[in-house]
Amino acid sequence: DGGITQSPKYLFRKEGQNVTLSCEQNLNHDAMYWYRQDPGQGLRLIYYSQIVNDFQKGDIAEGYSVSREKKESFPLTVTSAQKNPTAFYLCASSPGNIQYFGAGTRLSVL
Amino acid sequence: DQQVKQNSPSLSVQEGRISILNCDYTNSMFDYFLWYKKYPAEGPTFLISISSIKDKNEDGRFTVFLNKSAKHLSLHIVPSQPGDSAVYFCAVYMFSGGYNKLIFGAGTRLAVHP
Repeated sequence: DGGITQSPKYLFRKEGQNVTLSCEQNLNHDAMYWYRQDPGQGLRLIYYSQIVNDFQKGDIAEGYSVSREKKESFPLTVTSAQKNPTAFYLCASSPGNIQYFGAGTRLSVL
Repeated sequence: DQQVKQNSPSLSVQEGRISILNCDYTNSMFDYFLWYKKYPAEGPTFLISISSIKDKNEDGRFTVFLNKSAKHLSLHIVPSQPGDSAVYFCAVYMFSGGYNKLIFGAGTRLAVHP
């Protein structure tokens, strides 16, 4: 089945710890995106990548890092510099105008 | 400064009636608009889109209307069904700095009751 797989579904972070959220797609899309959703708010763009080995900061990139070493994979690291990491994180990929989303990862702080 | 606004955080509609969800945008240069539907703890699902060269696009029970002069779009669901209960996000497609990205509104929670 073609799609976007995010793992884990739930993740807990301890104070000062870096955590990595996985996003894999087998849709052969060039572009991939990471969003953050907070309660009662829309999706805010963290990072995006149009091609392998290239990525750009979105609107709220501080405290996050990404890599794009393979077309299929776009992992997001939430670093200890991100002081308010509790949120629902969504990964998307796109062949053009329409973005297709994974099921999300809910990150909480212990 | 919000470029895409969904001013109604929630909407309650009776089953079988019409649901109308609204969205306003600020930039007249936006030329492609999308609606997504989201259930709790799931990713958004693409629903329907419209290009600025059209003022209406239909897909089954879902119709999107675009009023460019008012910078307003709306999603009509007829007839509404209980399974339509979800959060609906309006999004606009923007080309900026050599890259494409979507800008989302805050969402409207639709509740369809029997």
